[in-house]
Amino acid sequence: SQKIEQNSEALNIQEGKTATLTCNYTNYSPAYLQWYRQDPGRGPVFLLLIRENEKEKRKERLKVTFDTTLKQSLFHITASQPADSATYLCAHLMDSSYKLIFGSGTRLLVRP
Amino acid sequence: DGGITQSPKYLFRKEGQNVTLSCEQNLNHDAMYWYRQDPGQGLRLIYYSQIVNDFQKGDIAEGYSVSREKKESFPLTVTSAQKNPTAFYLCASSIDLPGEGTEAFFGQGTRLTVV
Repeated sequence: SQKIEQNSEALNIQEGKTATLTCNYTNYSPAYLQWYRQDPGRGPVFLLLIRENEKEKRKERLKVTFDTTLKQSLFHITASQPADSATYLCAHLMDSSYKLIFGSGTRLLVRP
Repeated sequence: DGGITQSPKYLFRKEGQNVTLSCEQNLNHDAMYWYRQDPGQGLRLIYYSQIVNDFQKGDIAEGYSVSREKKESFPLTVTSAQKNPTAFYLCASSIDLPGEGTEAFFGQGTRLTVV
């Protein structure tokens, strides 16, 4: 079956370093992937979308890559800040079904 | 302001009772979604709707029901058949642009507790 997976272990890094989060997919080839941020007790907020023909996309301190060979998307936050601490989720819309599926999310903790 | 509104924020239900969670959007979006989130877990899709009067089951539809009588409204009923209903419920909507992968907008969620 089609799966979208994220590392369930929390990522703990020092302020100023680059955080890198991983989203892997199996048994299908999504046309694009979305990345969201979720704070505790709140709904997710959309950050970036990357299409399969885009190797990289940037928005301020955020960068997303899409490697169709490795079946993987990487989400980077450069010069991380404690305010970046949250759970980050990747998602995709299954082909022709409008079924929006999320990975389990990775919790990021940035230490001051 | 445009947005998506869920109510109530907190809801308590006695075991064996049905309860309905409200979701309203004024973004003129066609697609709407309901997700369930358990502590420390990701979002699991319950139901989704592409258009008025049409909806499909997601991955965990058992014990839930929905309706889509109006474009702006997509209420979720948690029935007594749902064995473990205590969870955080999230509603979302998105523009219907096939193949474009447009973003989903989420409400603030409803935390349901069965007592």
